[in-house]
Amino acid sequence: QKEVEQNSGPLSVPEGAIASLNCTYSDRGSQSFFWYRQYSGKSPELIMSIYSNGDKEDGRFTAQLNKASQYVSLLIRDSQPSDSATYLCAVNGDNAGNMLTFGGGTRLMVKP
Amino acid sequence: EAQVTQNPRYLITVTGKKLTVTCSQNMNHEYMSWYRQDPGLGLRQIYYSMNVEVTDKGDVPEGYKVSRKEKRNFPLILESPSPNQTSLYFCASSFGGLNTEAFFGQGTRLTVV
Repeated sequence: QKEVEQNSGPLSVPEGAIASLNCTYSDRGSQSFFWYRQYSGKSPELIMSIYSNGDKEDGRFTAQLNKASQYVSLLIRDSQPSDSATYLCAVNGDNAGNMLTFGGGTRLMVKP
Repeated sequence: EAQVTQNPRYLITVTGKKLTVTCSQNMNHEYMSWYRQDPGLGLRQIYYSMNVEVTDKGDVPEGYKVSRKEKRNFPLILESPSPNQTSLYFCASSFGGLNTEAFFGQGTRLTVV
């Protein structure tokens, strides 16, 4: 059974600070890693994807992947109240097309 | 507009009364999947489909059925719903393969009493 683990939070940060969200996964064969944002009562939306070790930056978001440690993280710089949401880590490593395994999500609260 | 459409958005039903939640996508995606989301448990995959007439079980398939007769549609069927199937359900689709984004429907909140 593939597992993806996240701290459920809530993670509370002040406006303008860096929010750091972490995720570990159990399947060493995992090859694709995604971060989704989900506002309360809404569907998940993709904000970052990463496939190779290292950092990937997109605007205020940076995804970091370390396959040796089976660890992926998401940094949100200059956090805004509108970033308050649940962030879901998802992993895909099954070549047969079994889509995504999700973590339980981390709830982020950005306080003005 | 590219989208995944689920219906209904909200449903309250009684134990044992068969129901179907529809899912349709207009992006010509090959891969479609159903998830349920419960507090503290995250998103768990129920069933997925890699193409027409090709479906397979996810992590929590018990009590559910699916069919994929057309590429765009992937209905979720609960033959005899029970209260433990009360949950928030999401349909998702993608082009497939490892490095493709999954697009989600708006969700269906199901309550079984």
